[in-house]
Amino acid sequence: DVKVTQSSRYLVKRTGEKVFLECVQDMDHENMFWYRQDPGLGLRLIYFSYDVKMKEKGDIPEGYSVSREKKERFSLILESASTNQTSMYLCASSSQQGSGNTIYFGEGSWLTVV
Amino acid sequence: GENVEQHPSTLSVQEGDSAVIKCTYSDSASNYFPWYKQELGKRPQLIIDIRSNVGEKKDQRIAVTLNKTAKHFSLHITETQPEDSAVYFCAASIRWPGAGSYQLTFGKGTKLSVIP
Repeated sequence: DVKVTQSSRYLVKRTGEKVFLECVQDMDHENMFWYRQDPGLGLRLIYFSYDVKMKEKGDIPEGYSVSREKKERFSLILESASTNQTSMYLCASSSQQGSGNTIYFGEGSWLTVV
Repeated sequence: GENVEQHPSTLSVQEGDSAVIKCTYSDSASNYFPWYKQELGKRPQLIIDIRSNVGEKKDQRIAVTLNKTAKHFSLHITETQPEDSAVYFCAASIRWPGAGSYQLTFGKGTKLSVIP
């Protein structure tokens, strides 16, 4: 069974703090994603990575950066957190093999910036 | 880029009735259309998907239809049960150039409530 694990479920940070959200997958997937979920706005892609050290901007990359130093781990970084980054963040992964590319999500990280 | 519109945003049905959620997409190159179900406090999980070379797919009480000409696809749930209550997301994907992966664009979600 695919497992995507997000290290922190609930975080409260202060405006201006640097925030790291960590994600690990155990299925040797090539692709990893960070989404942001807000009520009424659905799931919006922040960044994704298709290989170690490779990254692509999604729809809303402003204010975020990512790091993928190892295949199983994908980190989302908020360099200077702001209150409008209060949200639920979902990590996901998928394989490049076959034509399915089903995306598997983690449990989500609820971030509150005060 | 791709744009996915999903309707309705909320839907209430009586237990046993059918529920239909509709999505439209903008990019004619999209070729993969999954549907995800997210129960309260849980992660989104794939429930059914369809590819552009297929017009309909069914899995027990759920089915998805695709009209490529009109660029819309729909989720149909029959004989609804209280456990079907959740938020449902449609998505459309295109192959990301050079990356060998699909990039999904999601609709904004439909909150389905099944009333016992």
